[in-house]
Order: sequence, then C-alpha cells, then structure tokens
Amino acid sequence: EAGVAQSPRYKIIEKRQSVAFWCNPISGHATLYWYQQILGQGPKLLIQFQNNGVVDDSQLPKDRFSAERLKGVDSTLKIQPAKLEDSAVYLCASSLQTGGYTGELFFGEGSRLTVL
Amino acid sequence: AQKITQTQPGMFVQEKEAVTLDCTYDTSDPSYGLFWYKQPSSGEMIFLIYQGSYDQQNATEGRYSLNFQKARKSANLVISASQLGDSAMYFCAMRDASWGSNDMRFGAGTRLTVKP
Repeated sequence: EAGVAQSPRYKIIEKRQSVAFWCNPISGHATLYWYQQILGQGPKLLIQFQNNGVVDDSQLPKDRFSAERLKGVDSTLKIQPAKLEDSAVYLCASSLQTGGYTGELFFGEGSRLTVL
Repeated sequence: AQKITQTQPGMFVQEKEAVTLDCTYDTSDPSYGLFWYKQPSSGEMIFLIYQGSYDQQNATEGRYSLNFQKARKSANLVISASQLGDSAMYFCAMRDASWGSNDMRFGAGTRLTVKP
C-alpha cells in the first residue's frame, strides 16, 4: 500500500515570495491534516479536512496561508507571502477514521521550507 | 483544552538496556487516545503504539510498551533492549472525542540517543 506522498521535499525561497506544497494521502483516507513543525518542536496542526470540507482551520494564519483539497483527495498548502518564521517542515497526514479518537495518523516525509 | 507535556528534552541509554520516556497529558474529555511516534533524522513520523482511555491493560508492541497511569494522567513509553537504530526524536500525542475536531496534538518531544 502506498503511503502519504508529499512534494517537494525541500524548498528554499526569499521572504515575501510564495510557495506551494502538495500532498496525496493514502487511498481511501477521508481525513487529511497539514501540520507545521518548527525545528525543535512538536508538530502543530494548521488545517484538517474531512473529504473536501474543512473541519478545523483555527490555527491557520489565513492572511498568508491557504489550503484546499479538491475532490476530497489531493491537497495543496500555499504560503503567500512567506515570512522568515515560516521556515519549518510541513507534514501532511491522513487517517481512515472520520471521527472519534482511535486510529493513528499516517504521515508523509514532509516538505522542508527555508525562508531567507 | 488538550495539553501534552514531555519534560525530558534529551535522554541517553546504553545499547541493550531499557529506557522510559515520560509523557503527561491534560484533558477534560473521558474518551481519548494516546499515541507515541518516532521521528528519525530523515523526518518521517513513524507510529509506534496506541492506548485508549478505556483500555484496561497497558499496550505493548514488540519492544515498545506504554505505562498508562490514568489517575496520574501519564502515558510513559518504555523501550526494552535498546538498539542503535532507536536513536531518534520521540513524540507523545493525544486525540480526544470532542465533536468536530479530532486532530492529534503533540508534545515537544524527547531526543533519545542510544550509546554503543
């Protein structure tokens, strides 16, 4: 079974530029998450989708971050304009469950962003 | 609100010995799940073990076991017979059954180094 796919693995941009990250979850997984992991910290949720609807985007800086999940499968996370503090690893995860508290999340390898 | 605390930024263990990584949590929901993930230097998050709040017995998965003390709100990970490949970051995480958002919240992590 294929895992969660993310691209690009690495991206270096200048501040105020834009960047987009792509995620393809495990086939059949209804729920998709984007996490931000700053160096030395645990992952922090940015946005959660269930199918193609947003469940939770309370921690997404909406003035610069946007995300979509077209057709309930692939997802794209965009940052525009980027700031220095956006340097982090962006992790995409998916899960089979659509509710409750059981069931692990399956993570991709992450996209490492460096903003200069 | 959920809160996960890992008080050990770094731990060292001799190869073949056992090590305990601490995790305490705080939630007002009686229904929740506790998870441990391993993050090697390559960056992917690898699921290790799960414990449900109503589970009567401590979870075990191979060399991993979870010391679940519900009254103390602790969920420590025990790794037996440590191997060099166990050197990584370890994150404790929790999901609860709150309606609407069942995302996973993470602690700050513990860096484990296994010495030969």
